[in-house]
Amino acid sequence: QSVLTQPPSVSGAPGQRVTISCTGSSSDIGAGYDVHWYQHLPGTAPKLLIFDNNRRPAGVPDRFSGSKSGTSASLAITGLQAEDETDYYCQSYDSTLSAYVFGTGTRVTVL
Amino acid sequence: QVQLVESGGGVVHPGRSLRLSCAASGFTFSSYAMHWVRQAPGKGLEWVAVISYDGRNEHHADSVKGRFTISRDNSKNALYLQMNRLRAEDTAVYYCARDRYYDILTGYSFEYWGQGTLVTVSS
Repeated sequence: QSVLTQPPSVSGAPGQRVTISCTGSSSDIGAGYDVHWYQHLPGTAPKLLIFDNNRRPAGVPDRFSGSKSGTSASLAITGLQAEDETDYYCQSYDSTLSAYVFGTGTRVTVL
Repeated sequence: QVQLVESGGGVVHPGRSLRLSCAASGFTFSSYAMHWVRQAPGKGLEWVAVISYDGRNEHHADSVKGRFTISRDNSKNALYLQMNRLRAEDTAVYYCARDRYYDILTGYSFEYWGQGTLVTVSS
């Protein structure tokens, strides 16, 4: 079960900036574990978008950025494009559960 | 390039068993920890299990502990998930994923993923 909370959906017009929050607790994000973000079009392989809170893998546009503070993290998408319309998940590690944990997921809609 | 290809999914009755496989290529398989992650219909991603680079250490989510077993064969570049006593709630697309690191329970990201294989548990 998810222990990281995300908004179910966010939306924005093409070119705009949207942010997705990821709220955890003192046993996961707040314990110092890194946050990672994935882009997932249902039926396809999820794609690593941001790792270690704010690092982008090769090939990921700099329109995507991540940050972390306290028990929360955020993913920002600037210059929103139609191809960004899909699901996004945050992920960290929970030391109490001894488990890797995902966020509840956020659907981004481009208006 | 890194490729992960899952297989073995299908329709199975509750209480029965199924073994999933994941064929890896394009990287040194024996150098990385590997995971299984699933997504039930209409739900989010759920981590299932992880195994260290050498197969000596593994860990399973509480929801599958005692029923599922992750394993690997580095000589075949293959990852497995043996699923026993399957339940309706195990119905999901199962993905294999490569860790960024060789050891488990470290909090590193899942660097590469396969396309998934669908498991349906139904009578």
